Amino acid sequence: GAGVSQSPSNKVTEKGKDVELRCDPISGHTALYWYRQRLGQGLEFLIYFQGNSAPDKSGLPSDRFSAERTGESVSTLTIQRTQQEDSAVYLCASSKSRTDTQYFGPGTRLTVL
Amino acid sequence: QKEVEQDPGPLSVPEGAIVSLNCTYSNSAFQYFMWYRQYSRKGPELLMYTYSSGNKEDGRFTAQVDKSSKYISLFIRDSQPSDSATYLCAMSFRGSGGYQKVTFGIGTKLQVIP
Repeated sequence: GAGVSQSPSNKVTEKGKDVELRCDPISGHTALYWYRQRLGQGLEFLIYFQGNSAPDKSGLPSDRFSAERTGESVSTLTIQRTQQEDSAVYLCASSKSRTDTQYFGPGTRLTVL
Repeated sequence: QKEVEQDPGPLSVPEGAIVSLNCTYSNSAFQYFMWYRQYSRKGPELLMYTYSSGNKEDGRFTAQVDKSSKYISLFIRDSQPSDSATYLCAMSFRGSGGYQKVTFGIGTKLQVIP
């Protein structure tokens, strides 16, 4: 079946602009996660959704970052007033339940000039 | 000190070699231990998943967990050029939201030379 998909695959933006990144989880997966992978660093947890609520948003680095999820499907991660340090690959993962294995999408490579 | 330590490499081996990849961790709350493989410009894919101390084998891959030493390993036998990728160790515990909160190592870049 279809895996996790993310769009766009690449995004180049200018410092100060807002960006929206989209994640389509595997159908039927109730849990959804966002991670950030900066060059030379491990994956950093950003936020976890169970359904359309976010019990853990402790990894969001600042109030410029926000995310929402519609029902148990699409999620968008929004970064306002982007900064150069926001340049990274943003990965989305989903799992059947909150305790199951996470399956990752291909990521969105964000470059802030 | 990071919760999970992993040597970033790169590690270069000839085809057919046995590869050993390792991670150490400091948080004794970790319950589940995983290895992910990530090809360039792709998302991580799960390779191995273990819960208890000991060995778990799947084809050419063996995962080993030693909870007393807080040390996990992944062995790849008869390595192939197609195994060239970055290998991420990951470990999890039940977070405050009731879900498995996963912490990843930085990843070891492996190159298998034909």
